[in-house]
Amino acid sequence: EDQVTQSPEALRLQEGESSSLNCSYTVSGLRGLFWYRQDPGKGPEFLFTLYSAGEEKEKERLKATLTKKESFLHITAPKPEDSATYLCAVQSGTSGTYKYIFGTGTRLKVLA
Amino acid sequence: EAGVTQFPSHSVIEKGQTVTLRCDPISGHDNLYWYRRVMGKEIKFLLHFVKESKQDESGMPNNRFLAERTGGTYSTLKVQPAELEDSGVYFCASSQGLTNEQFFGPGTRLTVL
Repeated sequence: EDQVTQSPEALRLQEGESSSLNCSYTVSGLRGLFWYRQDPGKGPEFLFTLYSAGEEKEKERLKATLTKKESFLHITAPKPEDSATYLCAVQSGTSGTYKYIFGTGTRLKVLA
Repeated sequence: EAGVTQFPSHSVIEKGQTVTLRCDPISGHDNLYWYRRVMGKEIKFLLHFVKESKQDESGMPNNRFLAERTGGTYSTLKVQPAELEDSGVYFCASSQGLTNEQFFGPGTRLTVL
């Protein structure tokens, strides 16, 4: 059964303290892995898409990497405004029937 | 460019009543998805439209849920009759292609009393 697991569930960092969030997945036929950021009361906001092992994407203080079994979201020198829930989603399936499977997310709190 | 919009933002109804949620996708996006997040759980897929056709509705919980997409534009999700376990946040998302990133709306928080 396709599954996505994110860890840790919650993370508190001091401003400037770098860390990584993990997304482990077990799916048949990976089409892509997506990272989203979600603020309270809002919908998920797209961050990155990764399609193949070894791929990396960067945006400001965030960097996403992908292996055959997991993805990491590295946060370098975070700021309080980076506080949010970070969601990982995996898209799998065959032609015409692609499904998104979400993890439960990592709640990040960055303290000033 | 306008994002995905959903209406209403909140809905509180009693068990047994009917509720209709609406989603307006980003213009030009053929793919429209509905998801639900029950408190404490992950966001779960409900169904996927390509234009006006249901491509995949394997995530729909039961036949109390009915989704439509008129003319391939906006979509509605009707729950009739609502049960307590239907409470949660219902998200709509749209994408241009099947493997492109999905853009999410702000969600509709449904509370069934």
